[in-house]
Amino acid sequence: ETGVTQSPTHLIKTRGQQVTLRCSSQSGHNTVSWYQQALGQGPQFIFQYYREEENGRGNFPPRFSGLQFPNYSSELNVNALELDDSALYLCASSFFSGSSSYEQYFGPGTRLTVT
Amino acid sequence: TQLLEQSPQFLSIQEGENLTVYCNSSSVFSSLQWYRQEPGEGPVLLVTVVTGGEVKKLKRLTFQFGDARKDSSLHITAAQPGDTGLYLCAGASGGNKLVFGAGTILRVKS
Repeated sequence: ETGVTQSPTHLIKTRGQQVTLRCSSQSGHNTVSWYQQALGQGPQFIFQYYREEENGRGNFPPRFSGLQFPNYSSELNVNALELDDSALYLCASSFFSGSSSYEQYFGPGTRLTVT
Repeated sequence: TQLLEQSPQFLSIQEGENLTVYCNSSSVFSSLQWYRQEPGEGPVLLVTVVTGGEVKKLKRLTFQFGDARKDSSLHITAAQPGDTGLYLCAGASGGNKLVFGAGTILRVKS
């Protein structure tokens, strides 16, 4: 069984640029959630994708967007990067039956630094 | 806004000591999960508690969910240096997102 994988591991971008982060979900899972973890804080929910559509969103601006593909993998896109976007971005996969959600398993994260 | 408060924020103890980490909220959660995170890595799921009053044991770790499903605790018996890490509690909300506490940094000295 393959766990959750994320790429790239590290990324350095300049303020105003755009970035795309990728996530492959764990085998058997159909839902991907994205979280932002600033240094010294707990992860903050960005959004979740289920059946290739956004299924819940946290308090993040529209410049944070995502996609889910038919194989359940996902992308997180951030436009017009700001210095405060520097963080560890975590992807978590789970199985959602449509009425019940199950445990989320996290990938290793992508460390984004905006200069 | 649902919030989870963890305490203490930082804990430094000697090998062999016992400790308890607390996770409190004014909100009810359908379930609560505990994770352990190493620096630069993603959180690793330790346990999920679902029923009010539930107690689960994982070797030297004991997890308890409050009767009202608003709070939880993690107790570690005879801590070892390998237990060092960031411990996070997370409440399941609305079936599709986790609300995390800020975490407890545990350092166990040998």
